[in-house]
Amino acid sequence: VVMTQSPATLSVSAGERVTLSCRASQSVNNKLAWYQQKPGQAPRLLIYGASSRATGIPARFSGSGSGTEFILTISSLQSEDFAVYYCQQYSDWPLYSFGQGTKLEIK
Amino acid sequence: EEQLVQSGAELKKSGESLKISCKASGYTFRTYWIGWVRQMPGKGLEYMGLIYPGDSDARYSPSFQGRVTFSVDRSMDTAYVQWNSLKASDTAKYFCARRSGFHDFDVWGQGTMVVVSS
Repeated sequence: VVMTQSPATLSVSAGERVTLSCRASQSVNNKLAWYQQKPGQAPRLLIYGASSRATGIPARFSGSGSGTEFILTISSLQSEDFAVYYCQQYSDWPLYSFGQGTKLEIK
Repeated sequence: EEQLVQSGAELKKSGESLKISCKASGYTFRTYWIGWVRQMPGKGLEYMGLIYPGDSDARYSPSFQGRVTFSVDRSMDTAYVQWNSLKASDTAKYFCARRSGFHDFDVWGQGTMVVVSS
């Protein structure tokens, strides 16, 4: 399953609402996760099951979608949210796959 | 605290072998799949495959099948990935991650940087 994220880079200001897109080449049902990665760090799980927040993740992060179209929304961007975001499908066992990432940069 | 701690950075030459490790703590190691993920310099995340520590059942992404081997030592709560003959194109940071009950990767190691010189 090929995961395609858009856009590749998004220039935004703190306080803005942001939506990141992820599309699957075939249905993955709701078996979709979102991760945040900051420079020099390991990825961190944000969302699993397309819409469930992982432990300790702030409420400003939300996920939606099913089938082939998914959205990660950050309701009000904070300075610590500037990072790269990846989606990952875990429907196609054992051939999981990641999207190529969306970089959020400061406008 | 559930944790994965990976071995330190490696500098190797083309053709050499290498085995890097991922030690689990804070949970029952043998009951969760461990995944491996590659990140080449400046690039995105690439899924390599997984191994189940309970019985060493290993599954590989086609891109990595035959290039790497996953293994575990249940007595040490440690997972490994090894290369028999490194190439310069293996230069990357390698992450291990625990597959959760929901099948996402919920706990990650800090990564091991591997540099292969030609």
